[in-house]
Amino acid sequence: DSGVTQTPKHLITATGQRVTLRCSPRSGDLSVYWYQQSLDQGLQFLIQYYNGEERAKGNILERFSAQQFPDLHSELNLSSLELGDSALYFCASRGGAGYGYTFGSGTRLTVV
Amino acid sequence: AQSVTQPDIHITVSEGASLELRCNYSYGATPYLFWYVQSPGQGLQLLLKYFSGDTLVQGIKGFEAEFKRSQSSFNLRKPSVHWSDAAEYFCAVGTMDSSYKLIFGSGTRLLVRP
Repeated sequence: DSGVTQTPKHLITATGQRVTLRCSPRSGDLSVYWYQQSLDQGLQFLIQYYNGEERAKGNILERFSAQQFPDLHSELNLSSLELGDSALYFCASRGGAGYGYTFGSGTRLTVV
Repeated sequence: AQSVTQPDIHITVSEGASLELRCNYSYGATPYLFWYVQSPGQGLQLLLKYFSGDTLVQGIKGFEAEFKRSQSSFNLRKPSVHWSDAAEYFCAVGTMDSSYKLIFGSGTRLLVRP
């Protein structure tokens, strides 16, 4: 157990639907990152939150949004889902300065 | 912009043979470089990292990597591969801004022959 918890582990949904992925960071870590891993795009940075505020944005679609709550857990919301959104979505947390990342085991999203 | 290239999509080696996975980066200054491993159904585990100093970096599980500035490379090596090393390996560069985000290469899948 890495200390970063992602739920659910697997999700199957239909096109056009909306889903929410949840991430609980390692205890004490203030930063949460979301990455998407797909066959054609590889591992892509989506968005970062630090202590409740958006800090950096990557290749995140407008249909996707995220937030970090006061208890530091984060949610990634994916709406109007398309087949191409099928991917493994990773959350990672980081504490302090530097690159001390801890990755969760991911949520595998399948859009049918 | 920073980028990472892993030219080999798949590599197959025999158990006990040596391994080298290639990684080239594009970055103006001295980069922060990483190698991660992803086993099936698992998250990403850090093998090793390079920030500065000695260009030969030792990591976990018997892996090492060498930073070569002249070649913009950070290749991962292991002298003797074990069947349990079969996984996908990702090279990454840190963006060195306040976000500390990582930019990953496309990955190399390692297959190990018995």
